[in-house]
Amino acid sequence: TQLLEQSPQFLSIQEGENLTVYCNSSSVFSSLQWYRQEPGEGPVLLVTVVTGGEVKKLKRLTFQFGDARKDSSLHITAAQPGDTGLYLCAGEPTNDYKLSFGAGTTVTVRA
Amino acid sequence: EADIYQTPRYLVIGTGKKITLECSQTMGHDKMYWYQQDPGMELHLIHYSYGVNSTEKGDLSSESTVSRIRTEHFPLTLESARPSHTSQYLCASSEYVSTDTQYFGPGTRLTVL
Repeated sequence: TQLLEQSPQFLSIQEGENLTVYCNSSSVFSSLQWYRQEPGEGPVLLVTVVTGGEVKKLKRLTFQFGDARKDSSLHITAAQPGDTGLYLCAGEPTNDYKLSFGAGTTVTVRA
Repeated sequence: EADIYQTPRYLVIGTGKKITLECSQTMGHDKMYWYQQDPGMELHLIHYSYGVNSTEKGDLSSESTVSRIRTEHFPLTLESARPSHTSQYLCASSEYVSTDTQYFGPGTRLTVL
C-alpha cells in the first residue's frame, strides 16, 4: 500500500492550458516536497512545504499543503512544453525521518 | 546543479553476473541513499547511509549490498543478478537529514537477461 497516492497518473494537455496534480494520504506529514524528473535524469527538487495551509508560488507553479498536512497539490498555469516531466511528491511522516515517495504524475504538454 | 554521478548509465548483463553500480558525490554530504524506480511505482528506498562506515537497509527488501568507506562514494553491489533485478537505480545525497533536499544522480538503467 502506497503511503502517498498521486493523481492522475498521466496528464496530457495543450500548451497554454492549466493543470493540477494531487498528492493524498491518510497520514500526517511534517513536510512535503515536490520533485520533477525528466527522461534520463534524476528527480530535482521544486519546493518544500512545511506548514498546514501553506501556499508557495514558483513562477507559474503554485504548491499548496493541506490544512491537516495530509495532502498537497501542484497547479501549473499556462503550461509550456518545458513543463513536461514526471512530478513526484515526497513526504516526511511524523513518525519517521525517511522520505516516502508517491508513484508520480507524468505530465505531457503538447506544443 | 547537483554534483552527484552514477556509472554506468545503462547496463545489460546476463543472469548470475556480479555487478557494482557506482555513485559519487562531491558536495561533502554525509547522507546517501539508493532508490529503485519502476514505471508507475513509487521510489523505493533500498539502502541508506548516514556517514562513513554506516549502512542501513531501506524499506524495500533487496538482495543488494552497499558500502561506505569514503564520504563521497556509495557503491551498490549485486552478487548474482537476476531478471527480477531489472530496474532503474537512483542514487541520492542530502546534507543533514533525509528530509532535506535530496540531490539525485541521473540513474543507472539495469537490464538482466
